[in-house]
Amino acid sequence: DAKTTQPNSMESNEEEPVHLPCNHSTISGTDYIHWYRQLPSQGPEYVIHGLTSNVNNRMASLAIAEDRKSSTLILHRATLRDAAVYYCILRDTGNQFYFGTGTSLTVIP
Amino acid sequence: GAGVSQSPSNKVTEKGKDVELRCDPISGHTALYWYRQSLGQGLEFLIYFQGNSAPDKSGLPSDRFSAERTGGSVSTLTIQRTQQEDSAVYLCASSPPRANTEAFFGQGTRLTVV
Repeated sequence: DAKTTQPNSMESNEEEPVHLPCNHSTISGTDYIHWYRQLPSQGPEYVIHGLTSNVNNRMASLAIAEDRKSSTLILHRATLRDAAVYYCILRDTGNQFYFGTGTSLTVIP
Repeated sequence: GAGVSQSPSNKVTEKGKDVELRCDPISGHTALYWYRQSLGQGLEFLIYFQGNSAPDKSGLPSDRFSAERTGGSVSTLTIQRTQQEDSAVYLCASSPPRANTEAFFGQGTRLTVV
């Protein structure tokens, strides 16, 4: 039931930017795009979300395509602590949200 | 408390026994979600509560699984006649009802059926 598609895994060198892609071609007009990450042996934690415009916060940036059918999570300088599984999720008010398999990010020292 | 609290953190049970898993959401959060995560896998949606509305039970894998939410706050997930394939981490999350808000997850209950 996941409505998003992400690569299974990606690698990045420490202190370099990381671009994590997500495809959501069936997105509806009221779906928000959320990103969560899950560190080993922990529950998922919120990273960022957006609707149409690009968003920035202290953790990351979210770039949303003009047609909203894809988005990219940008970590500006990857650290070893950013190694996690990153989930891209569509969330609509009043409904459950589904997690896909996510992207497992490996950060290389 | 400041976050979503789940108990117990670990539970080992014998095959065929019933178990109850508890979730204390953040105060004021009307939306509550249960997920299951098997080893090395993604999160599998189980059930969703939103205020006084009927819960969305579409993710429950069998009739051995049930959940309730009393007084719009604490939720209990019950698994009857546990099987070895029920072994997983059970995660609870809560949030305000709006889609443009953050959902907060607990640390999960690790269930092992032996």
